[in-house]
Amino acid sequence: KQEVTQIPAALSVPEGENLVLNCSFTDSAIYNLQWFRQDPGKGLTSLLLIQSSQREQTSGRLNASLDKSSGRSTLYIAASQPGDSATYLCAGANDYKLSFGAGTTVTVRA
Amino acid sequence: GAGVSQSPSNKVTEKGKDVELRCDPISGHTALYWYRQSLGQGLEFLIYFQGNSAPDKSGLPSDRFSAERTGGSVSTLTIQRTQQEDSAVYLCASSLGTGGYEQYFGPGTRLTVT
Repeated sequence: KQEVTQIPAALSVPEGENLVLNCSFTDSAIYNLQWFRQDPGKGLTSLLLIQSSQREQTSGRLNASLDKSSGRSTLYIAASQPGDSATYLCAGANDYKLSFGAGTTVTVRA
Repeated sequence: GAGVSQSPSNKVTEKGKDVELRCDPISGHTALYWYRQSLGQGLEFLIYFQGNSAPDKSGLPSDRFSAERTGGSVSTLTIQRTQQEDSAVYLCASSLGTGGYEQYFGPGTRLTVT
């Protein structure tokens, strides 16, 4: 069974600082890894999808890397803004099921 | 285009009552998933539908939970004889296919069992 861990559970940074969010998984036979953002009381917004054959994926200020051999993925958010405050979840897909981490709650201080 | 929609957005019910939660996937998406998000358990997979294949119900926590998908589109998750531990946010997702496709989530239904 895929186990996904996210550290730290919470993070507070001043505006403008780069964010580094970590995700680790136990089963390297993943199809892909997906990063989501969740605002309080809302559903999940997909940020980036990295296929198992890829090493990284970029979208605007977001960059996610995937290292299957070490069972790790990292989400980088450049030049953080207060609007980036949210909970970030990573999820690994083995076949079709997503296994989620508990999330990292980010606060960007203005 | 329209995303995944769910209804109702909030549902308060008394213990022992049955509830139905609805999900409308993105048009053209053949795969549909239900997940549950609760404080104690995080986000967990419940059930998966792909086309006309038999659904994967391996994540359903008890036989009080059932789901169906009509016409390969809309899905309904039914919880019979609700218990307080069923209180959670129920999230629906859909994808173009399976085996590596991105899953898109709806806003969820917050269920509170009193």
